[in-house]
Amino acid sequence: GENVEQHPSTLSVQEGDSAVIKCTYSDSASNYFPWYKQELGKGPQLIIDIRSNVGEKKDQRIAVTLNKTAKHFSLHITETQPEDSAVYFCATRGSNYKLTFGKGTLLTVNP
Amino acid sequence: ETGVTQTPRHLVMGMTNKKSLKCEQHLGHNAMYWYKQSAKKPLELMFVYSLEERVENNSVPSRFSPECPNSSHLFLHLHTLQPEDSALYLCASSQDRFREGGDEQFFGPGTRLTVL
Repeated sequence: GENVEQHPSTLSVQEGDSAVIKCTYSDSASNYFPWYKQELGKGPQLIIDIRSNVGEKKDQRIAVTLNKTAKHFSLHITETQPEDSAVYFCATRGSNYKLTFGKGTLLTVNP
Repeated sequence: ETGVTQTPRHLVMGMTNKKSLKCEQHLGHNAMYWYKQSAKKPLELMFVYSLEERVENNSVPSRFSPECPNSSHLFLHLHTLQPEDSALYLCASSQDRFREGGDEQFFGPGTRLTVL
């Protein structure tokens, strides 16, 4: 089955700095790559997604890049703010139509 | 109510109890999901319902029994659970799981289950 590796598991940055989280996957048929943010006591919330016919997508301070040849994709957050502190999950949808998730990255933005 | 709601938010039960988790989606979606979230592990897909028909059962023990009476409601019936079943149980919904190019899943807040 699909395997998704996510790094790092924890990330601490100063407010205003950038944060980058990386994921690799194994199923070459994967065609949908969402990123979720989970705050304490809440369910995961989709923050951005990218499809396999696109290499990069940006939404204000958040961007995602996809390299299908290398089978990896990354989340970039610029000008981080304390409210960006949360757990971030990457996921892929493979040929079985299931979402496979990474283990998550705990991002802490220090004021 | 909007989005995906789950009740109860917290549940403590003994190993011999029977309880049920409830999920309701107000988005008009056709697919609903149960996930298990444990510390230090990826979200684990348990069950998928599409148009009220169970289409996925990821080798989940029979002590977990799902029910989908209509496209807006999903239940997870629990009986004779084990302490290792303690986790956050998340419900999600999506428009069409077979949608070409991907199908966004919307999650509820989860039920924090503790089995004593």
